[in-house]
Amino acid sequence: GESVGLHLPTLSVQEGDNSIINCAYSNSASDYFIWYKQESGKGPQFIIDIRSNMDKRQGQRVTVLLNKTVKHLSLQIAATQPGDSAVYFCAESPTGTASKLTFGTGTRLQVTL
Amino acid sequence: DAGVIQSPRHEVTEMGQEVTLRCKPISGHNSLFWYRQTMMRGLELLIYFNNNVPIDDSGMPEDRFSAKMPNASFSTLKIQPSEPRDSAVYFCASSFVDSGQPQHFGDGTRLSIL
Repeated sequence: GESVGLHLPTLSVQEGDNSIINCAYSNSASDYFIWYKQESGKGPQFIIDIRSNMDKRQGQRVTVLLNKTVKHLSLQIAATQPGDSAVYFCAESPTGTASKLTFGTGTRLQVTL
Repeated sequence: DAGVIQSPRHEVTEMGQEVTLRCKPISGHNSLFWYRQTMMRGLELLIYFNNNVPIDDSGMPEDRFSAKMPNASFSTLKIQPSEPRDSAVYFCASSFVDSGQPQHFGDGTRLSIL
C-alpha cells in the first residue's frame, strides 16, 4: 500500500467558534473560485463560489474572501458545528465558469465538543 | 431532486480485468466531468464533455482509459486492462456551464484492483 501521500493540514476548532480555512492559488489568470466540502465516503459538496470581480461573498454561515493581490482565498464558517467536520477543498478556474477546475489539496476541519 | 448517480459504489477486481464505471448526470446539465481521487495526487480531472462531446481529455492517464457519453443522460469510464495503480475513488460531476452554476458531484465509485 501507499506509505506516502498528501499531508492534509488539519484545523481543530471548538464547537461554536468560528473557523477560517485558507487556500493559496497559483494561476493569476483564474477568475472563478469555489469551495467544496467532502465528508467521508461522499463526493464533494458545493458550499460557495466567487468570481474575481468580487472580494467577498456571503452565504448561510459561510463567507468567502478573495485577495487577488496575493492569490489567496479563505472560507470562514461562523459558529462551527460538529456537522461541519469534513475535508474542505478550494478550486480555481481560468475560464470564468466551473468548466475546468483545479483543486487544492484540501484542509481537514475537526470540530471538538 | 436526484443528484449525480454513479454505479457501482464499490468495485473490486483483479488486475487485467476490464472495469466500467457509470454515471448519470443531473437532468438538464450539459457538461459532465470525470475525476479521480487518490491520497497521493488528490482530486484530478480526467476528462470532461460538453453537450456529449469530449472537450478536454488531457487528464486521462493513458490509453488504457477511455470515456464515452452516448447521450445526455449517461456516461461511462472504462479501464482496460486494469492495474493496481488504478485503485482510487472515481467521481463524476455535472453542471450547466453556461449558467455559471457549479459542478455537482456524485458519491463516487471506490475501485480496488488486486
